[in-house]
Amino acid sequence: AAGVIQSPRHLIKEKRETATLKCYPIPRHDTVYWYQQGPGQDPQFLISFYEKMQSDKGSIPDRFSAQQFSDYHSELNMSSLELGDSALYFCASSLRVGDEQYFGPGTRLTVT
Amino acid sequence: KQEVTQIPAALSVPEGENLVLNCSFTDSAIYNLQWFRQDPGKGLTSLLLIQSSQREQTSGRLNASLDKSSGRSTLYIAASQPGDSATYLCAVYNNAGNMLTFGGGTRLMVKP
Repeated sequence: AAGVIQSPRHLIKEKRETATLKCYPIPRHDTVYWYQQGPGQDPQFLISFYEKMQSDKGSIPDRFSAQQFSDYHSELNMSSLELGDSALYFCASSLRVGDEQYFGPGTRLTVT
Repeated sequence: KQEVTQIPAALSVPEGENLVLNCSFTDSAIYNLQWFRQDPGKGLTSLLLIQSSQREQTSGRLNASLDKSSGRSTLYIAASQPGDSATYLCAVYNNAGNMLTFGGGTRLMVKP
């Protein structure tokens, strides 16, 4: 069965650079969620989209933005990167809002 | 604001033991509750999803229960195996079903 695809899997950036993380949901899933997991921490909700509209917003810094495109894939754009942005970024998708969330393998971002 | 707590934070047991992991949440107005497994540095594997109207779910050696009124869920693992060693995360869906709040996890070690 198809799973959530995230790219890239690993990303190394320097401080103040920008990064773009991509997420391709499971086919027919129209809801996408983004989570950030810092070292030794539990995942924290960032933002979600339903039918290409922002659905809910969590602890997402103003330096970050995200959108969902017409093909339902989503991108998380991160600017003015800081050392503290180093984390695992997970994308999840569900068939509908409130349904079981299926997580991708994550993108490991390292900011040096 | 929803807070999710997992007890114990770490657990070490000999192979073959039955064990119980606990999860509590402060706001009982949840949509669903989901248990995940996470291996070090890896993604989140969904184990069980309990809908708010359900009291328990079973999958193989795993059984999860939910008591919304008391804000508790337990994950029961029967006949533990070394391959069960991982971090187990409990996550609750908010009332709108569009975001997950995770607990801090229970780090399980099953010794052969």
